[in-house]
Amino acid sequence: KQEVTQIPAALSVPEGENLVLNCSFTDSAIYNLQWFRQDPGKGLTSLLLIQSSQREQTSGRLNASLDKSSGRSTLYIAASQPGDSATYLCAVKPNTGNQFYFGTGTSLTVIP
Amino acid sequence: DTGVSQNPRHKITKRGQNVTFRCDPISEHNRLYWYRQTLGQGPEFLTYFQNEAQLEKSRLLSDRFSAERPKGSFSTLEIQRTEQGDSAMYLCASSLYQSRSYEQYFGPGTRLTVT
Repeated sequence: KQEVTQIPAALSVPEGENLVLNCSFTDSAIYNLQWFRQDPGKGLTSLLLIQSSQREQTSGRLNASLDKSSGRSTLYIAASQPGDSATYLCAVKPNTGNQFYFGTGTSLTVIP
Repeated sequence: DTGVSQNPRHKITKRGQNVTFRCDPISEHNRLYWYRQTLGQGPEFLTYFQNEAQLEKSRLLSDRFSAERPKGSFSTLEIQRTEQGDSAMYLCASSLYQSRSYEQYFGPGTRLTVT
């Protein structure tokens, strides 16, 4: 069974700092990996999706990378803003089956 | 495209009662997923539909849980004889089969509290 881990569980940074969130998975036979943002009590908002054949994806201040062989992905946030404060979750879809596996998330606080 | 909607947004029920939640996916999306999320955890997969067919169910989905997707449009998730351990956020997501990317779009969730 795929296990997805996100470290750290919580992170607090001053506004303007660049930061990296980590996601690791135990089985490298993945179809894709998706990063989400979740605000308290709300649903998930898709940020970036990386197919298994890709190395990275970028959207605005966000850059996600994927190293399938080592079972790791990172989400880089440039010039952080207080509005970036949320929980960030990664999810992997294996090559077989329809089930997605989520990490427990990293709770980010950006201090003005 | 109004996004994925879920109703109700909040539900408080007494232990032993039955509850039903509804999910309306993005209109052209033929894949639909249900998840359960407890505080401090990531979503856990419950079940998957492709059109009206329920193709996969998690072992987490006990026989008190049932889901349907009549005519491949909206979906309902019913929990019978609710228990306090059922208290959680129930999330629905949809995606487009033809896109082959499996990118999921989530609804706002239904928060269930069992007293």
